[in-house]
Amino acid sequence: GEEVAQTPKHLVRGEGQKAKLYCAPIKGHSYVFWYQQVLKNEFKFLISFQNENVFDETGMPKERFSAKCLPNSPCSLEIQATKLEDSAVYFCASSQSATGREQFFGPGTRLTVL
Amino acid sequence: GQQVMQIPQYQHVQEGEDFTTYCNSSTTLSNIQWYKQRPGGHPVFLIQLVKSGEVKKQKRLTFQFGEAKKNSSLHITATQTTDVGTYFCAYLTGTASKLTFGTGTRLQVTL
Repeated sequence: GEEVAQTPKHLVRGEGQKAKLYCAPIKGHSYVFWYQQVLKNEFKFLISFQNENVFDETGMPKERFSAKCLPNSPCSLEIQATKLEDSAVYFCASSQSATGREQFFGPGTRLTVL
Repeated sequence: GQQVMQIPQYQHVQEGEDFTTYCNSSTTLSNIQWYKQRPGGHPVFLIQLVKSGEVKKQKRLTFQFGEAKKNSSLHITATQTTDVGTYFCAYLTGTASKLTFGTGTRLQVTL
Protein backbone atom coordinates (compact mmCIF):
# COMPACT_ATOMS: atom_id res chain seq x y z
CA GLY A 1 0.00 0.00 0.00
CA GLU A 2 0.92 3.65 -0.26
CA GLU A 3 0.49 4.34 3.43
CA VAL A 4 1.81 2.76 6.58
CA ALA A 5 -1.05 0.90 8.25
CA GLN A 6 -1.23 0.27 11.99
CA THR A 7 -3.73 -1.76 13.99
CA PRO A 8 -5.44 -1.48 16.30
CA LYS A 9 -6.07 2.24 16.60
CA HIS A 10 -6.68 1.99 20.33
CA LEU A 11 -5.78 -0.72 22.82
CA VAL A 12 -6.68 -0.86 26.49
CA ARG A 13 -4.98 -3.34 28.81
CA GLY A 14 -4.93 -3.97 32.51
CA GLU A 15 -1.53 -3.80 34.14
CA GLY A 16 0.25 -7.10 33.66
CA GLN A 17 -1.64 -8.05 30.51
CA LYS A 18 -0.05 -8.57 27.12
CA ALA A 19 -0.38 -6.08 24.26
CA LYS A 20 0.35 -6.70 20.59
CA LEU A 21 0.51 -4.00 17.96
CA TYR A 22 0.76 -4.44 14.19
CA CYS A 23 2.28 -2.45 11.36
CA ALA A 24 2.20 -2.90 7.60
CA PRO A 25 4.92 -0.76 5.98
CA ILE A 26 4.61 0.86 2.58
CA LYS A 27 5.14 -1.72 -0.16
CA GLY A 28 8.73 -1.65 -1.35
CA HIS A 29 10.10 -0.08 1.83
CA SER A 30 12.85 -2.19 3.36
CA TYR A 31 13.17 -0.41 6.70
CA VAL A 32 10.68 -0.37 9.53
CA PHE A 33 10.99 1.70 12.70
CA TRP A 34 9.02 1.71 15.94
CA TYR A 35 8.76 4.85 18.09
CA GLN A 36 6.98 5.51 21.35
CA GLN A 37 5.43 8.93 21.97
CA VAL A 38 4.50 9.66 25.56
CA LEU A 39 2.09 12.34 26.77
CA LYS A 40 4.62 15.16 26.84
CA ASN A 41 5.22 14.66 23.12
CA GLU A 42 8.58 13.01 23.66
CA PHE A 43 9.50 10.48 21.02
CA LYS A 44 11.60 7.48 21.92
CA PHE A 45 13.11 5.18 19.30
CA LEU A 46 12.50 1.52 20.10
CA ILE A 47 13.72 -0.72 17.28
CA SER A 48 14.33 -0.85 13.54
CA PHE A 49 14.30 -3.63 10.98
CA GLN A 50 15.86 -4.13 7.58
CA ASN A 51 13.37 -6.50 6.00
CA GLU A 52 12.98 -9.26 8.59
CA ASN A 53 16.30 -8.61 10.31
CA VAL A 54 16.69 -6.50 13.42
CA PHE A 55 18.76 -3.45 12.43
CA ASP A 56 18.98 -1.53 15.68
CA GLU A 57 17.33 -2.51 18.96
CA THR A 58 19.12 -0.13 21.30
CA GLY A 59 15.86 1.50 22.40
CA MET A 60 14.01 -1.65 23.37
CA PRO A 61 13.32 -2.52 27.02
CA LYS A 62 14.18 -6.12 26.26
CA GLU A 63 12.78 -7.72 29.36
CA ARG A 64 9.19 -7.02 28.30
CA PHE A 65 9.26 -5.76 24.71
CA SER A 66 9.79 -7.85 21.60
CA ALA A 67 9.26 -7.19 17.91
CA LYS A 68 9.23 -9.10 14.65
CA CYS A 69 8.99 -8.44 10.93
CA LEU A 70 8.34 -11.72 9.16
CA PRO A 71 8.03 -12.16 5.39
CA ASN A 72 4.50 -11.70 4.03
CA SER A 73 3.15 -10.69 7.44
CA PRO A 74 2.64 -7.36 9.21
CA CYS A 75 5.40 -6.38 11.58
CA SER A 76 4.48 -6.66 15.26
CA LEU A 77 5.48 -5.11 18.56
CA GLU A 78 4.56 -7.08 21.65
CA ILE A 79 4.64 -5.99 25.26
CA GLN A 80 4.48 -8.73 27.87
CA ALA A 81 3.17 -7.77 31.29
CA THR A 82 2.32 -4.16 30.52
CA LYS A 83 3.05 -1.44 33.04
CA LEU A 84 1.33 1.90 33.59
CA GLU A 85 4.32 3.73 32.08
CA ASP A 86 3.84 1.85 28.79
CA SER A 87 0.78 4.02 28.13
CA ALA A 88 1.71 5.95 25.00
CA VAL A 89 1.12 6.19 21.28
CA TYR A 90 3.25 3.73 19.35
CA PHE A 91 4.17 4.82 15.84
CA CYS A 92 5.53 2.63 13.12
CA ALA A 93 7.43 4.25 10.26
CA SER A 94 8.97 2.91 7.08
CA SER A 95 11.55 4.12 4.62
CA GLN A 96 13.02 2.95 1.34
CA SER A 97 16.59 2.84 2.59
CA ALA A 98 18.65 3.34 5.72
CA THR A 99 19.89 6.66 4.46
CA GLY A 100 16.58 7.60 2.87
CA ARG A 101 15.46 11.12 3.29
CA GLU A 102 12.20 10.66 5.05
CA GLN A 103 10.38 8.21 7.20
CA PHE A 104 6.69 7.70 6.55
CA PHE A 105 4.71 7.32 9.75
CA GLY A 106 1.58 5.31 10.34
CA PRO A 107 -1.41 6.70 12.25
CA GLY A 108 -0.22 5.13 15.50
CA THR A 109 -1.72 2.83 18.12
CA ARG A 110 -2.76 4.45 21.39
CA LEU A 111 -2.08 2.03 24.24
CA THR A 112 -3.71 2.73 27.58
CA VAL A 113 -2.64 0.61 30.52
CA LEU A 114 -5.02 0.75 33.49
CA GLY B 1 21.80 10.54 21.22
CA GLN B 2 22.18 14.08 22.39
CA GLN B 3 19.03 15.96 23.29
CA VAL B 4 17.82 18.60 20.90
CA MET B 5 15.92 21.46 22.48
CA GLN B 6 13.26 23.46 20.72
CA ILE B 7 11.98 26.88 21.71
CA PRO B 8 9.39 27.99 22.34
CA GLN B 9 7.48 25.01 23.75
CA TYR B 10 4.20 26.65 22.79
CA GLN B 11 3.13 29.66 20.78
CA HIS B 12 -0.29 31.12 20.18
CA VAL B 13 -0.64 33.55 17.26
CA GLN B 14 -3.39 35.35 15.45
CA GLU B 15 -3.97 34.25 11.89
CA GLY B 16 -1.74 36.27 9.59
CA GLU B 17 1.08 36.68 12.10
CA ASP B 18 4.46 35.10 11.56
CA PHE B 19 5.84 32.20 13.60
CA THR B 20 9.34 30.86 14.20
CA THR B 21 10.56 27.80 16.06
CA TYR B 22 14.20 27.19 16.89
CA CYS B 23 16.03 23.91 17.28
CA ASN B 24 19.31 23.81 19.21
CA SER B 25 21.83 21.04 19.63
CA SER B 26 24.90 20.96 21.87
CA THR B 27 26.82 19.07 19.20
CA THR B 28 27.24 19.29 15.43
CA LEU B 29 24.56 17.53 13.42
CA SER B 30 25.10 15.95 10.01
CA ASN B 31 21.49 16.57 9.02
CA ILE B 32 18.26 18.05 10.31
CA GLN B 33 14.73 17.15 9.37
CA TRP B 34 11.45 18.86 10.21
CA TYR B 35 8.16 17.11 10.82
CA LYS B 36 4.66 18.42 11.49
CA GLN B 37 2.21 16.58 13.71
CA ARG B 38 -1.40 17.71 13.71
CA PRO B 39 -3.38 17.21 16.95
CA GLY B 40 -4.20 13.51 17.20
CA GLY B 41 -2.16 12.79 14.08
CA HIS B 42 1.17 11.36 13.11
CA PRO B 43 4.44 13.10 12.17
CA VAL B 44 4.60 14.15 8.53
CA PHE B 45 7.95 14.88 6.93
CA LEU B 46 8.43 18.46 5.76
CA ILE B 47 12.07 18.79 4.73
CA GLN B 48 15.68 17.72 5.25
CA LEU B 49 18.70 20.04 5.42
CA VAL B 50 22.28 18.78 5.27
CA LYS B 51 24.54 21.68 4.32
CA SER B 52 25.95 24.37 6.58
CA GLY B 53 23.96 27.58 6.16
CA GLU B 54 21.38 25.90 3.94
CA VAL B 55 18.06 27.69 3.43
CA LYS B 56 15.06 26.06 1.82
CA LYS B 57 11.58 27.44 1.18
CA GLN B 58 8.24 25.74 0.76
CA LYS B 59 5.54 28.29 0.04
CA ARG B 60 5.12 30.15 3.35
CA LEU B 61 7.66 27.98 5.21
CA THR B 62 11.37 28.82 5.38
CA PHE B 63 13.85 26.36 6.84
CA GLN B 64 17.39 27.19 7.82
CA PHE B 65 20.39 25.13 9.00
CA GLY B 66 22.96 27.08 10.98
CA GLU B 67 26.51 27.69 9.81
CA ALA B 68 27.90 25.57 12.63
CA LYS B 69 25.25 22.87 12.00
CA LYS B 70 24.15 23.03 15.62
CA ASN B 71 20.88 24.85 15.16
CA SER B 72 18.00 25.16 12.77
CA SER B 73 14.86 27.21 12.42
CA LEU B 74 11.47 26.99 10.80
CA HIS B 75 9.69 30.23 9.97
CA ILE B 76 6.09 30.44 8.83
CA THR B 77 4.97 33.66 7.17
CA ALA B 78 1.36 34.77 7.57
CA THR B 79 0.11 31.79 9.56
CA GLN B 80 -3.19 30.12 8.73
CA THR B 81 -5.41 27.93 10.89
CA THR B 82 -4.21 24.95 8.85
CA ASP B 83 -0.72 25.50 10.32
CA VAL B 84 -1.93 24.36 13.76
CA GLY B 85 0.08 21.47 15.13
CA THR B 86 3.38 20.56 16.75
CA TYR B 87 6.55 21.08 14.78
CA PHE B 88 9.47 18.79 15.52
CA CYS B 89 13.02 18.96 14.37
CA ALA B 90 14.79 15.61 14.21
CA TYR B 91 18.04 14.14 13.01
CA LEU B 92 19.14 10.80 11.64
CA THR B 93 21.94 9.08 13.50
CA GLY B 94 24.52 6.78 12.00
CA THR B 95 23.92 3.83 9.75
CA ALA B 96 20.90 2.80 11.77
CA SER B 97 19.13 5.95 10.60
CA LYS B 98 16.92 6.16 13.64
CA LEU B 99 15.39 9.55 14.20
CA THR B 100 16.11 11.52 17.35
CA PHE B 101 13.38 14.10 17.80
CA GLY B 102 13.55 17.53 19.35
CA THR B 103 11.20 18.54 22.13
CA GLY B 104 8.67 20.10 19.74
CA THR B 105 6.91 23.45 19.47
CA ARG B 106 3.14 23.50 19.59
CA LEU B 107 1.56 26.18 17.43
CA GLN B 108 -1.97 27.41 17.98
CA VAL B 109 -3.50 29.80 15.45
CA THR B 110 -6.72 31.65 16.06
CA LEU B 111 -8.81 33.92 13.84
